[in-house]
Amino acid sequence: QQQVKQSPQSLIVQKGGISIINCAYENTAFDYFPWYQQFPGKGPALLIAIRPDVSEKKEGRFTISFNKSAKQFSLHIMDSQPGDSATYFCAASPTYSGAGSYQLTFGKGTKLSVIP
Amino acid sequence: SQTIHQWPATLVQPVGSPLSLECTVEGTSNPNLYWYRQAAGRGLQLLFYSVGIGQISSEVPQNLSASRPQDRQFILSSKKLLLSDSGFYLCAWRQGFGNQPQHFGDGTRLSIL
Repeated sequence: QQQVKQSPQSLIVQKGGISIINCAYENTAFDYFPWYQQFPGKGPALLIAIRPDVSEKKEGRFTISFNKSAKQFSLHIMDSQPGDSATYFCAASPTYSGAGSYQLTFGKGTKLSVIP
Repeated sequence: SQTIHQWPATLVQPVGSPLSLECTVEGTSNPNLYWYRQAAGRGLQLLFYSVGIGQISSEVPQNLSASRPQDRQFILSSKKLLLSDSGFYLCAWRQGFGNQPQHFGDGTRLSIL
C-alpha cells in the first residue's frame, strides 16, 4: 500500500515534443506529491509538487496533473529540450501521523532522453 | 537560504574497511535528516532518518549505522564494508514541521573493491 508505481521506465522524445510520465498510488493518506529531476552524478532536485486540493499545477514547461479519484498523477513536459534529458522520480508522502512521518515514497524513476 | 553539503563526492574503499560519510545542512534549525542509497539505474532506498539530535530510525537492517551528533550534522558509518555496500549515497533534509519537500545533497559515489 506504500508503493508508488511509475511508468514508463524509459522514454525517448523528439525535441519539441511532449514528455509524459505517469505515477499511481494506493495509499489514500498520501497528500503531497513532488516530482524530482536527477542528472547523472547529482542528487535529485525538486522540480514541482502538488497537493490533492488542485487538479493541475503548471510551472513553465512543466505541468502536474492530479486525479484523486483514480489515485494517479502525471508529469507533462511541454516543448521538451535536450537539456531535459534526466531521470525523473515521482514521490508521495502522507498526512502527519507521528514521529518520523512525512516519509517520501518514491517511484522507481523514468529515464528521459530528448533527441535533437 | 538553506544549503546541504555532502562529502566526499567519491570514495573507493577496500572490503572490510570502515566508512564515514558526512552531511551538514546550513541555514535552518531542527531539520529532519535522511540517508538514502541509490543503486545504479535504480530508485532511492531510505536507509535512516532523524527528527532530532541523537534520534535515529533505521528503515533497512544492514551493515550501516547513522548518527546525528549535532542538529545539522548527519553521519553514515560502517565498521566493515561489504561489496554490496557500493552505491550512490544521498543525504537529504526537510523542514521539521509540516509536509514540506525534501532537498538532496549531491551524493557520494562509493565503490568497494
